[in-house]
Amino acid sequence: RKEVEQDPGPFNVPEGATVAFNCTYSNSASQSFFWYRQDCRKEPKLLMSVYSSGNEDGRFTAQLNRASQYISLLIRDSKLSDSATYLCVVWNPVNNAGNMLTFGGGTRLMVKP
Amino acid sequence: NAGVMQNPRHLVRRRGQEARLRCSPMKGHSHVYWYRQLPEEGLKFMVYLQKENIIDESGMPKERFSAEFPKEGPSILRIQQVVRGDSAAYFCASSPGGLDYLTYNEQFFGPGTRLTVL
Repeated sequence: RKEVEQDPGPFNVPEGATVAFNCTYSNSASQSFFWYRQDCRKEPKLLMSVYSSGNEDGRFTAQLNRASQYISLLIRDSKLSDSATYLCVVWNPVNNAGNMLTFGGGTRLMVKP
Repeated sequence: NAGVMQNPRHLVRRRGQEARLRCSPMKGHSHVYWYRQLPEEGLKFMVYLQKENIIDESGMPKERFSAEFPKEGPSILRIQQVVRGDSAAYFCASSPGGLDYLTYNEQFFGPGTRLTVL
C-alpha cells in the first residue's frame, strides 16, 4: 500500500465549478500536511498547508481528519488557470532525521471553458 | 534572491554513459534533498545531504547512484552507466538548518533536470 494515496483523475470540470480532491495517508505518526500544485513539466509549488481546524485561502479550502487519516482540498469557482496536478504531501518526523516529504501520485485537474 | 538552481535543465545520455546533475541551494540554506519523478508518478525521496555529509540515503538505489554536497560548490547527483529506466525528472530542494528534527523545515524546489536516456 502506498504511503499517500490519491485518485489520479483526470477531473474534467467547467469553469466556475467546485471540485474536491481527497487523499489518504497510512502513517498515523505523520505530523504535517500540505497540498502542492505542479504544472506540466515544472517543479511542485506549495499551495497551502493543511491544519486540523481547516484552513482557507481565497477559493481554496483544505481540511485534515486525523482520525480517518484523510486530507481534502476544495476549489471553488474553478478558473482555467487552476488546471494542474495537485499533490498531497505528508511529513513524518518520527525516525526521520531526514526531513523528507512523502508525495502522493497527484490528481490531475483540467478546467474547460 | 535567487531560488534553488539546477543544471542542466535537460540532459540526454545514451545507455551506459554517466549523468551528473547539479543543484545550488538557496542562499543561506545548508540542507539539500534530491527527489525523482518518474513519468506519470509522484516525487520520490532519494537522498538528504548537509554540507559534506549524507544524512539519509534511504531512497537512493543501491547501485550506480551517488550524491555529494561538498564544502564549496553545488550538490551533485551522479548516475553511472545509465539505463532507460533512469529517464525521469530529478528535483532538488533546499531548506535552512537550525531547527530540531521534530520541526518541519520548509523545502524550496528547483526547476528540475529532465534526464532522457536513449
